[in-house]
Amino acid sequence: ETGVTQSPTHLIKTRGQQVTLRCSSQSGHNTVSWYQQALGQGPQFIFQYYREEENGRGNFPPRFSGLQFPNYSSELNVNALELDDSALYLCASSPGGASYGYTFGSGTRLTVV
Amino acid sequence: RKEVEQDPGPFNVPEGATVAFNCTYSNSASQSFFWYRQDCRKEPKLLMSVYSSGNEDGRFTAQLNRASQYISLLIRDSKLSDSATYLCVVNPDDKIIFGKGTRLHILP
Repeated sequence: ETGVTQSPTHLIKTRGQQVTLRCSSQSGHNTVSWYQQALGQGPQFIFQYYREEENGRGNFPPRFSGLQFPNYSSELNVNALELDDSALYLCASSPGGASYGYTFGSGTRLTVV
Repeated sequence: RKEVEQDPGPFNVPEGATVAFNCTYSNSASQSFFWYRQDCRKEPKLLMSVYSSGNEDGRFTAQLNRASQYISLLIRDSKLSDSATYLCVVNPDDKIIFGKGTRLHILP
């Protein structure tokens, strides 16, 4: 069984640029969610997708956007990067929504300079 | 009041001891509750779901008190390998809210 995989593992971007992070969900999982984790903090919920539709969103500005594809893989896009966007971005998948619990990928470490 | 609150710790506990974590949540409409553990520089891993009737998995016991809006995790006979950060997770509406986590150090 293939787990959740994320790419790239590390990324350095300049303030003002745009970035796309990718996630392949675990086989059989139709729900994916994205999180931002700053050092020493718990993961902060960005949004959740179920069957290609966003069905939950945290307190993040519209420059954080996402997609889920028919194969349930997903992208997180961040426009107009700010220094505070530097964090670990985690993707997680679930077989049927939040009530089932999530399996996490190992994350993408984004540094904005 | 924060949506999910946990004691940040760290808890320094001798091997073999029992340790308890508590977590409070603010949204009474929350439906699902979980404990995750996160090792240093690793992703969170699901430890256990928390059910209204309480549930046990080996040395780990989770309980939910809906009236007081808190959940708890008890670890018995703690092992060195239990050293990690323990994250409380609550699912109100269409959101998934993590606490900041409680760091646990098991001392030999």
